[in-house]
This record gives sequence, structure tokens and C-alpha cells, in this order.
Amino acid sequence: GQNIDQPTEMTATEGAIVQINCTYQTSGFNGLFWYQQHAGEAPTFLSYNVLDGLEEKGRFSSFLSRSKGYSYLLLKELQMKDSASYLCAVVRGDYKLSFGAGTTVTVRA
Amino acid sequence: GAVVSQHPSWVICKSGTSVKIECRSLDFQATTMFWYRQFPKQSLMLMATSNEGSKATYEQGVEKDKFLINHASLTLSTLTVTSAHPEDSSFYICSARDTGVDNNEQFFGPGTRLTVL
Repeated sequence: GQNIDQPTEMTATEGAIVQINCTYQTSGFNGLFWYQQHAGEAPTFLSYNVLDGLEEKGRFSSFLSRSKGYSYLLLKELQMKDSASYLCAVVRGDYKLSFGAGTTVTVRA
Repeated sequence: GAVVSQHPSWVICKSGTSVKIECRSLDFQATTMFWYRQFPKQSLMLMATSNEGSKATYEQGVEKDKFLINHASLTLSTLTVTSAHPEDSSFYICSARDTGVDNNEQFFGPGTRLTVL
């Protein structure tokens, strides 16, 4: 089966840094996506990791360790508009996506 | 960039009726599209993979006779919820893979909120 775990909720202050962890156990692995989803809207792409290491893209960075079945998304210089749900999604061996339940991030002034 | 549209954005129907949801890739061709369902405060659950010109493949536990999928062209897939019941009320999201690009990225539509009374 597929098992993808991420925290349910996180709260941080505007301007701060937040790290969202994701651990996974899936049947095969062909990469890991992070998506942002605002309530009632479709997910939007943030990052993709297939090799171990850190991928940096502006205020967002994503890290992957395949041997540990672990990834994190790092959000820096938090802004109010970053309040959303963040989804970890693993590309399985059959190239389909399995999603975690999502982490709701609330940014406070 | 790659854009995927869905129609309708929301629909309210009576129990027992059928509802069709369209998913279109606007600026790319998509041999493969995916249909997901998302209940409130839960994650996206893959329902089925829609393949242009062939039968859809369904995930375990998803009734193929209840959720009919047709992928008649390289830019359009439809999901028909037959004999809808209140428990089918959910947010349905489609995604599409760009046939011309060899990667795993999926582009998501804006979703369709279905409410069955």
C-alpha cells in the first residue's frame, strides 16, 4: 500500500520560516512533488525532486532523501498569501501520484 | 504555460440523476488524464486514469460502472457520475500530462464541486 505522512497543521508568523516534513512508504518511487492548494481551488505546482538533495526556487526549497523516504518543503520569508494547504505527492512505480493528506499552514501577522 | 480547464465549476443535482464533468487541456495534447476526488479536509484520491483511445483504468474500490470515463480526443476527457447520491458529493479534480514532454508533471484543472441533494 501507499503511506504518505505529513503534519496536519502548522502556524507561523509573517516573515518567519516554516519546514513541512513528509515521510513516505510507497510501491516504487519515481519522484516527489510539492503542491500548494488554496481552499476550493486546484493544486498548483511548487517543486519536484527525483534525486537526493536540495532544490531551491526563490522563497521555497525542497529536500529529498530517498534512502530515508523523507522530504521537506521549506518556506522562507513567509507572507500572508502563503496561508494554504501544502500537499506532498509521490510518483509511484506505475507513474501515478499518491498524495499525502496535506498540511494546512496558517500565517499570522 | 500548460492550462487545464474543467466544466462546470460547480453543479447541484437531485439524487438519482447523472452528471457529466469535462476536463480539457487548452494548449497541449494529453494522451493521459487523471481524475481525483477530494472530500473536505482530506487529500486528493486518485479515482482513475483516462487514456485517449482506450479504456480507463480504475483504482481499487472505484466502481467503473458508476464513474464513466470517456477520453475521445487528445484534449478532452469526461467523467460521468451516474445515478448520483449524496455520498458522491465531493470536489472532483482532473489533471493532464503533456504528451510532448517526457516527465512526470501533471497539470491540474480548477476542480468541479458536486453537491447531490
